[in-house]
Amino acid sequence: EDQVTQSPEALRLQEGESSSLNCSYTVSGLRGLFWYRQDPGKGPEFLFTLYSAGEEKEKERLKATLTKKESFLHITAPKPEDSATYLCAVQAPMGGSQGNLIFGKGTKLSVKP
Amino acid sequence: NAGVTQTPKFQVLKTGQSMTLQCAQDMNHNSMYWYRQDPGMGLRLIYYSASEGTTDKGEVPNGYNVSRLNKREFSLRLESAAPSQTSVYFCASSRPNRGLSTDTQYFGPGTRLTVL
Repeated sequence: EDQVTQSPEALRLQEGESSSLNCSYTVSGLRGLFWYRQDPGKGPEFLFTLYSAGEEKEKERLKATLTKKESFLHITAPKPEDSATYLCAVQAPMGGSQGNLIFGKGTKLSVKP
Repeated sequence: NAGVTQTPKFQVLKTGQSMTLQCAQDMNHNSMYWYRQDPGMGLRLIYYSASEGTTDKGEVPNGYNVSRLNKREFSLRLESAAPSQTSVYFCASSRPNRGLSTDTQYFGPGTRLTVL
């Protein structure tokens, strides 16, 4: 069964304390892995797409990496405004809509000043 | 561009009442989706529409119906609301990534529904 597991469920960091969020997946034939950020009371906001093992993408203090079994979202020197829930999703296999995603449950990140 | 818009933002229903959640996008996307998000469950796909005139069931379609009114609009209807349908509902639309067999989805702000 295709699934996405994120860990930890929650992460508390001090401002400037770097860390990583994990997303492990089992899917038959990965076509794309997506990271989203979700602020309280808002819809998910697209961050990155990764397509193949070894690929990396960066945006400000965030860097996403991909292996054959998992993806990491590295947060370097986080600030309080990075506090949010980070969602990982994989593209569903062919057969459904090309756009269908399978989401993990998310990691809630809190960054204290 | 407003992106993906949803109405209403909040709604309280009594068991058995019906209502329609509205969604519109101005990005000229072909595909649109309805999700529900519950604590500890993550986002789950209810229905999707790969193109104007087509709709298909997702993971949790029971108790819902959808209408793809035109390319811009995709509505979700609860015919007889139940407390188990208390949730936050998100609409999304997607564009294909050029040269790749993937889409990127863009989400609306959500509708918070409570069924008493």
